[in-house]
Amino acid sequence: RKEVEQDPGPFNVPEGATVAFNCTYSNSASQSFFWYRQDCRKEPKLLMSVYSSGNEDGRFTAQLNRASQYISLLIRDSKLSDSATYLCVVLMDSNYQLIWGAGTKLIIKP
Amino acid sequence: NAGVTQTPKFQVLKTGQSMTLQCAQDMNHNSMYWYRQDPGMGLRLIYYSASEGTTDKGEVPNGYNVSRLNKREFSLRLESAAPSQTSVYFCASREQGIDEQYFGPGTRLTVT
Repeated sequence: RKEVEQDPGPFNVPEGATVAFNCTYSNSASQSFFWYRQDCRKEPKLLMSVYSSGNEDGRFTAQLNRASQYISLLIRDSKLSDSATYLCVVLMDSNYQLIWGAGTKLIIKP
Repeated sequence: NAGVTQTPKFQVLKTGQSMTLQCAQDMNHNSMYWYRQDPGMGLRLIYYSASEGTTDKGEVPNGYNVSRLNKREFSLRLESAAPSQTSVYFCASREQGIDEQYFGPGTRLTVT
């Protein structure tokens, strides 16, 4: 079993719709969680950190469920510019080694 | 302020050739990382350097060596390239106490 699993997609979503995807992780000792965004053939960039209480940044909401070991990302009122691959990332230890999911591809259609 | 820079952007090697990927950051970060990204897989850590003068193996270090030349620069060397090392290589840096890693634009390496 992979340590961090994501549905690869692609998710094809009309502009303006709400889309959500999950990521599951296998190690219950995982410390911190992040969503990164990666545009085609570009480097990953931090989208948001995921806190135990959940957090919201504009149209984006991230949630953590430690009991079921998954994190989620919700995008409201999706824009064409949201088209990208979203990478789920888990911090495993104090040496700050990150474990990366393979990513979920999102395509927003006009 | 260029952030994290990597050279070269593209490279084609023949099996057995050697090369060094260069990475530099101008953000005065302590920690630097080398990852590879393959289709259908998450980024995998090759080596990292928590601070100037230290380096440690990550998940997939075999076939690679690194040098933390100074606080700014962290290079990755392939001594004898193999087709299995065909990948996109990303360098990243991070400031101590801050979660975010900043990535360079990547090097696309093909080994034939």
